[in-house]
Amino acid sequence: GESVGLHLPTLSVQEGDNSIINCAYSNSASDYFIWYKQESGKGPQFIIDIRSNMDKRQGQRVTVLLNKTVKHLSLQIAATQPGDSAVYFCAGGVNTPLVFGKGTRLSVIA
Amino acid sequence: DAGITQSPRHKVTETGTPVTLRCHQTENHRYMYWYRQDPGHGLRLIHYSYGVKDTDKGEVSDGYSVSRSKTEDFLLTLESATSSQTSVYFCAIRADLTGELFFGEGSRLTVL
Repeated sequence: GESVGLHLPTLSVQEGDNSIINCAYSNSASDYFIWYKQESGKGPQFIIDIRSNMDKRQGQRVTVLLNKTVKHLSLQIAATQPGDSAVYFCAGGVNTPLVFGKGTRLSVIA
Repeated sequence: DAGITQSPRHKVTETGTPVTLRCHQTENHRYMYWYRQDPGHGLRLIHYSYGVKDTDKGEVSDGYSVSRSKTEDFLLTLESATSSQTSVYFCAIRADLTGELFFGEGSRLTVL
């Protein structure tokens, strides 16, 4: 079945630097991907999504890159701030339901 | 605010007792989901619904049942709770037009 996984369980970044969180998926038919942010004690919050007909999509300080050849996507956060500290999940699949990765904990060092 | 609420937010119960968690949405979306979140496992799908009285199993459905008698409510029932069902449970709704998933704030269940 489908699997979605993150490369690193934890990531520490200096405040102001850019963060890159990576994710791999197994199903080449997956056509929709989402990145979520989860702060302690809260539910996951939508950050940005991308469909398989795109390679890149930008939001406010965030960019998602999709490489369908190697079944990899990444989340880039520009000028990382202390408020970005959280667990980040990627999720992907065909239609619904989506399969979630296990999460990367991003720690921002002031 | 995605218009999704879960109740109860916290519950402690004993092994063998029945438990029902409620998810309520105000958005009238078709798809609703129940996930559990455990350390080392991320979010795992228990059951989901694609309409009133229409439900399907997820990857960890054993020991759980669901019901959706009206669009706005999706109930998750543990008929006889076990300690392995101690977890944080999240409900999610899928926006009909965009496909985005919106999550509730979670229900922390402890089974002693």
